[in-house]
Amino acid sequence: NAGVTQTPKFQVLKTGQSMTLQCAQDMNHEYMSWYRQDPGMGLRLIHYSVGAGITDQGEVPNGYNVSRSTTEDFPLRLLSAAPSQTSVYFCASSLGQGLVTGELFFGEGSRLTVL
Amino acid sequence: AQKVTQAQTEISVVEKEDVTLDCVYETRDTTYYLFWYKQPPSGELVFLIRRNSFDEQNEISGRYSWNFQKSTSSFNFTITASQVVDSAVYFCALSEALDLNTDKLIFGTGTRLQVFP
Repeated sequence: NAGVTQTPKFQVLKTGQSMTLQCAQDMNHEYMSWYRQDPGMGLRLIHYSVGAGITDQGEVPNGYNVSRSTTEDFPLRLLSAAPSQTSVYFCASSLGQGLVTGELFFGEGSRLTVL
Repeated sequence: AQKVTQAQTEISVVEKEDVTLDCVYETRDTTYYLFWYKQPPSGELVFLIRRNSFDEQNEISGRYSWNFQKSTSSFNFTITASQVVDSAVYFCALSEALDLNTDKLIFGTGTRLQVFP
């Protein structure tokens, strides 16, 4: 019973490098989203998707890119990493389909450090 | 603009004590949802409860209870007879009417609860 799977769990980057955080869910959820968690800031929404081929910006989208080519996958790309992007990243999914439950299923998180 | 405030950064209690986690929200919408999530030391967030703006009845689930008061824009969470396993960071969250098709949640900054044996 995989649920939401994020990879990698840990990553260290140098400033200016690019990378992709992978997120996959096996629950046939339409809605997927990325949050970042920083001390004292709670969780802030980066990007979200209501279905394959549809993405939109959240509260803090700058420096990040997403795509949703399949229902299962929602990768988050860091285009040119900056120290301010050091954070713990969470992918989350929910049923969607216009049924608002607020019951997000979260991955285990990916801890990213940018030097 | 919408906002969720959890003024308590960290709370420490001894096992079997009751503890209340405060949540105050701001929204201009009359239709909205409020949520609580738990983040145990393992890191994964777990959904606890959802409450819509038209239902002000308090809810109890075992040792957990929630008090929703629109008059004070608060949605507080009480753990009765706390246990060490309740140690976690707890997040309150809000979803507004315009975002009700998207499950976009606005989270508070969280309250870290430590329960000592």
